[in-house]
Amino acid sequence: EVQLVESGGGLVQLGGSLRLSCAASGFTFSSYWMTWVRQAPGKGLEWVANIKPDGGDKFYVDSVKGRFTISRDNTKNALYLQMNALTAEDTAVYFCARCLWWEPFDFWGQGTLVAVSS
Amino acid sequence: SYDLTQPLSVSVALGQTASITCGADNVRSRNVHWYQQKPGQAPMLVIYRDKNRPSGIPERFSGSNSGNTATLIITGAQAGDEADYYCQMWDTSGVVFGGGTKLTVL
Repeated sequence: EVQLVESGGGLVQLGGSLRLSCAASGFTFSSYWMTWVRQAPGKGLEWVANIKPDGGDKFYVDSVKGRFTISRDNTKNALYLQMNALTAEDTAVYFCARCLWWEPFDFWGQGTLVAVSS
Repeated sequence: SYDLTQPLSVSVALGQTASITCGADNVRSRNVHWYQQKPGQAPMLVIYRDKNRPSGIPERFSGSNSGNTATLIITGAQAGDEADYYCQMWDTSGVVFGGGTKLTVL
């Protein structure tokens, strides 16, 4: 059974840092692109970042470039999102999801909440 | 990058057909995927590559993509279909989601 379990969310101060993790199981993790998608309270889905199966290519939405870093450890079946210089606009539930290149996100985690306080 | 335009809300009577649109310039040239999200839950894929249903998704969900509009169609809507629906596609700059449509089943 495919499972994606996010962790690492919480309350953080404005300008602070947080590292999210996503533990994957039930599939060949190293064969899939992995993605972070976020959803601010009461708002829609927003793509945050993608990473290639071998970790070699990474893509980000403009609003997080230079502040967030996506990474993965295929030996641990784990995906990460290092978030620095957090702003109130980063407050959201963060989901990890898997996909193949230019294909849909067929499995999603349940999400982890990040709240940035002033 | 692409902007995908969805109506904020759509209402449908129980058992009738609901259509949720996703508009963008020449969207027919891209594959569009659709997700259902219920309150407090993660999104779930209901249609991929315009018109294909993943395993386990009821046949009442279908899709089309023509010209500047992709459409999610729910035939014989049920109370359990009440949810937010998002279209999504890939772009050269990354991934794009539509703003989402709240489907209300009356």
